[in-house]
Formats: sequence, C-alpha cells, structure tokens
Amino acid sequence: DGGITQSPKYLFRKEGQNVTLSCEQNLNHDAMYWYRQDPGQGLRLIYYSQIVNDFQKGDIAEGYSVSREKKESFPLTVTSAQKNPTAFYLCASSYGGSSYEQYFGPGTRLTVT
Amino acid sequence: GQQVMQIPQYQHVQEGEDFTTYCNSSTTLSNIQWYKQRPGGHPVFLIQLVKSGEVKKQKRLTFQFGEAKKNSSLHITATQTTDVGTYFCAGSEAAGNNRKLIWGLGTSLAVNP
Repeated sequence: DGGITQSPKYLFRKEGQNVTLSCEQNLNHDAMYWYRQDPGQGLRLIYYSQIVNDFQKGDIAEGYSVSREKKESFPLTVTSAQKNPTAFYLCASSYGGSSYEQYFGPGTRLTVT
Repeated sequence: GQQVMQIPQYQHVQEGEDFTTYCNSSTTLSNIQWYKQRPGGHPVFLIQLVKSGEVKKQKRLTFQFGEAKKNSSLHITATQTTDVGTYFCAGSEAAGNNRKLIWGLGTSLAVNP
C-alpha cells in the first residue's frame, strides 16, 4: 500500500526531554511538511522540505528541528525549548509546491507532562 | 502576512439541511484546495480550484472559486451524518513562493440524525 506512515500514534514524554516523531512516505513525493494542530487553531506549518537535504522554516519553527536525509523520510524533533509541545502533529507530502494536493499521515498525538 | 479567514467556525444542522462554509483571503490566490477531517482523523483532500469563477461538483458537494480569486465556498446539499467533520480551505498566494499553503481555521460541521 502506498501512503504516509507516522509513528507512534500516541506519545508521552516528560518535560525537558527531546522527542523525535517519525514520518515515512512511499509515494515518491518530493515535498514533505510538518503541521501542528491544536483545538480551534487549524493547521500550522512547522517545517517543510522540497527536496532531500533542504528544508525551510514554517510559521512556528521555534523549538523544533527536522532533517531530510532521504526522500522517504522527514523526522521531526520536538526539543525541550518548545514551550507548549502537547499537540497533534501531522506529516504530509506532495509532488511539489502548493499547486499539488497534500497527502496526510494519521498523525501523532504528543503529550508532555 | 497573508491570511485565509473561514466562516463559520461551527455549524450544527439537522440531517437533510444544507450547509455552506466560506473562505476569504486578504490577497489574490493562485489556487484553493479543500480538505475534510473526520473526528480523530487526518485531513483528506477533496478538490482544487484554479480558475476564476470556477465551479466544481462532487455529488452533493459544490465548490466555487470567486471571480477575483480571493474567496471560495463549499456547499453541501441535504447533509448526511457521514458529512460530519471539519472542512478546511487552503490557498496558495498568487505572488508567493508557491511552496506552501495558507490554511483557514476550518468549519466544524455537526449533523443531527
């Protein structure tokens, strides 16, 4: 099956710990995106990547980091510097820029206490 | 920066009633996309509109793109309980880098059987 996988579905961490969220796609898409979703806030872009070994900050990049070493993978690290990390994190991919539809993974719900 | 305003934030209807959500952009868009997110799920692409004044239909769903390419609407005729979810619009700036979408906050639809 082609698609995007995110793991785990639920993640619990203690405050002060870094945590890495996984995102893998086998759709042969060039572009990948990380969004954060909070109740009533819609989707906010954290980071995006148009090509391997290149990525750009989105609207709320502070406290997050990413890498794009392989076309299929775009992991997101939530660092201890992120003040309010508890949220629903969605990864998406597309063939290219904003004129292409985005395919979303099932999401990871992160809870930090 | 560019904003996409979406109204209403919530809508509660009786099954069989019609439903409309509206998106308004502060600047001209090159395209607009619509997504649906079921409760507990992830956004799923519905459609993309590109041309000024474009109207597209998918069964009971009608999508419109304004003449000035600054606004769009999604109309559902005779809602069903399967229509429950949050509907997002997302647009791309006509004068932007065309790499990322600007998302509305979504309209949450509840349908009473």
